[in-house]
Amino acid sequence: ETGVTQTPRHLVMGMTNKKSLKCEQHLGHNAMYWYKQSAKKPLELMFVYNFKEQTENNSVPSRFSPECPNSSHLFLHLHTLQPEDSALYLCASSEEEYNSPLHFGNGTRLTVT
Amino acid sequence: RKEVEQDPGPFNVPEGATVAFNCTYSNSASQSFFWYRQDCRKEPKLLMSVYSSGNEDGRFTAQLNRASQYISLLIRDSKLSDSATYLCAADAGNNRKLIWGLGTSLAVNP
Repeated sequence: ETGVTQTPRHLVMGMTNKKSLKCEQHLGHNAMYWYKQSAKKPLELMFVYNFKEQTENNSVPSRFSPECPNSSHLFLHLHTLQPEDSALYLCASSEEEYNSPLHFGNGTRLTVT
Repeated sequence: RKEVEQDPGPFNVPEGATVAFNCTYSNSASQSFFWYRQDCRKEPKLLMSVYSSGNEDGRFTAQLNRASQYISLLIRDSKLSDSATYLCAADAGNNRKLIWGLGTSLAVNP
């Protein structure tokens, strides 16, 4: 049973839609992350929040907009996406930002049509 | 050279076999290393953290070789349930973020 929950599990959206991914962690961790996983590519870090402050934006296009209202919740707002943005989006948390193992949510499989 | 490199496999082994994977990393300043397993269409799950020379947990042993810049994962007495993709990650040294390999696919056959 994962301590990190993500919704929705699956999402299909058109390029003109706006949608949001939600992540909640119940582990008391201080850092939260968004990762993108595409076929035949390694996990790509998108954003990092530590104590709800953004500490990393890994050159992510502005059509992806993160929000971290508190240490337990993380959102990823999506708008005007491209078909190549179709991927598995994984939220993760860790006790500390550095050197701590990541605990992943079950992911949102996104398809952009 | 990729920052973190893994043999993609697939490794096909019979039940009960011992199998080992290697993961090489390019940044000599890396301090923390992790092995995760990922089942098909599921999220990665932490298998083992490696901060010093190695770690052991039941049938799983991870070893770190700093001189040659690789970590290994040894699985003894393989079970059917060990079939998965094994992901290696190393921290990017002073940059702190994790760098991931593409994963090694393992299939344990009856």
